[in-house]
Amino acid sequence: AQSVSQHNHHVILSEAASLELGCNYSYGGTVNLFWYVQYPGQHLQLLLKYFSGDPLVKGIKGFEAEFIKSKFSFNLRKPSVQWSDTAEYFCAVNAQTSTGGFKTIFGAGTRLFVKA
Amino acid sequence: DARVTQTPRDKVTEMGQEVTMRCQPILGHNTVFWYRQTMMQGLELLAYFRNRAPLDDSGMPKDRFSAEMPDATLATLKIQPSEPRDSAVYFCASGLVGTGDWDTEAFFGQGTRLTVV
Repeated sequence: AQSVSQHNHHVILSEAASLELGCNYSYGGTVNLFWYVQYPGQHLQLLLKYFSGDPLVKGIKGFEAEFIKSKFSFNLRKPSVQWSDTAEYFCAVNAQTSTGGFKTIFGAGTRLFVKA
Repeated sequence: DARVTQTPRDKVTEMGQEVTMRCQPILGHNTVFWYRQTMMQGLELLAYFRNRAPLDDSGMPKDRFSAEMPDATLATLKIQPSEPRDSAVYFCASGLVGTGDWDTEAFFGQGTRLTVV
C-alpha cells in the first residue's frame, strides 16, 4: 500500500536556524509530490509541488524541497526560519488507484515551533 | 480570489443527530475530496469525486457516512447518526484534473469543526 512517512512529529527551532523536514514515500510508480502547510487554526495551503523536471523545487516563503528518486524522498528545507513559520507541515503524494483515478496520500504531519 | 467554501465553520451537535456539511468547490474544478483531520489519526481521505461521480470512498465508514455531489457546485458529507468519535475537522478540497489525471494540487477549504457531545 502507498504510504508517506514524516520522520519528525515535532520540531522546535530558534529563529534563523536552518530547517529540514524529512519525507519518504512508498510507491513504485511515477509520483507527484507536494508539501502543504497549515498555520494554527487555518486550512492547508500548498507550499510547493514536484511533477517532473528539476528535482530541486522552490516554493513560497523561501521553502524548497529536493526530490531524490533513489531514496524515495522529498525533504523540505529552509535556510533560516522565522517565528511566522510556526505551523504544521504535511508531505503528500498523488498515487494512482486501481480504478484509474488517483488520490492524495498525506503524511502524519510535522509540527514546527519556532522560538522568537 | 477563487476559494473552496465550506459551511458551517463550526458545528456542535448531540450524539445521534444528523449532521450535514457542505462544500462549494472552486468553479471549474472537476475533482472534490473530503478529508477528516484528528489529532490521533492526522489527515484521512474519506472520499473523492471526479465530475460528480464517486471514485473512491473506501476511507469512509459506510454505515453512518454518506457523500454526494448533487451538482457541480455543491458537495455534501452527511453523518447519521453522529457519534462523539466523529468529532474532528472535516476539510473539503477541490482540484482540476486534466488528461494527465493526477498532476493536480488540492485547494482546501477552511474546514468544518464538528463536535459531537
